[in-house]
Amino acid sequence: GAVVSQHPSRVICKSGTSVKIECRSLDFQATTMFWYRQFPKQSLMLMATSNEGSKATYEQGVEKDKFLINHASLTLSTLTVTSAHPEDSSFYICSARGGTRLAVETQYFGPGTRLLVL
Amino acid sequence: RKEVEQDPGPFNVPEGATVAFNCTYSNSASQSFFWYRQDCRKEPKLLMSVYSSGNEDGRFTAQLNRASQYISLLIRDSKLSDSATYLCVVNAERGYQKVTFGTGTKLQVIP
Repeated sequence: GAVVSQHPSRVICKSGTSVKIECRSLDFQATTMFWYRQFPKQSLMLMATSNEGSKATYEQGVEKDKFLINHASLTLSTLTVTSAHPEDSSFYICSARGGTRLAVETQYFGPGTRLLVL
Repeated sequence: RKEVEQDPGPFNVPEGATVAFNCTYSNSASQSFFWYRQDCRKEPKLLMSVYSSGNEDGRFTAQLNRASQYISLLIRDSKLSDSATYLCVVNAERGYQKVTFGTGTKLQVIP
């Protein structure tokens, strides 16, 4: 399967600071990347969908000014949690899809980033 | 009604047992279906796609029932390593970007 990396894997920050999470597709070009959030014992919730070179599409209830997404290239998307608060503490997972040798609809997930805001 | 529904479990089964999960979906226009596996505190990993004709991969068999709008996953000869949460994933339209995840069914295989 395809490889997607995420960095950092774990971050602890103070309330009010911003945190940037990187998602990279290592062996394929990701035409679309997705950002999910998962709270303990809950399902994955899609936050936003981004296509390279265009603005992200946010799901209802997700503040686009708080969760900034930049999909600058076909292999890199970043999620910045601005002015993080304790309620933003969660498991953030990216996934990527695309590439000619991959099934169009299959999403490959990064290992996730655990964010803890104190 | 939720778009994708799964029994959260947990399903506690002994090693060697056969276990089956169902997942129902509400959108009759749904085109693509997948089963993912998620281990505790890890990311989901694709287990298998679900085709109209059904498909099998080793001990795992996936079926699609369009008439009743559900997909199933059958695991034969359960191993301890099969313990995980199994997520049902549905794509509303072929090529459509957004997929919907079920909340997952937790499986615990006990020695």
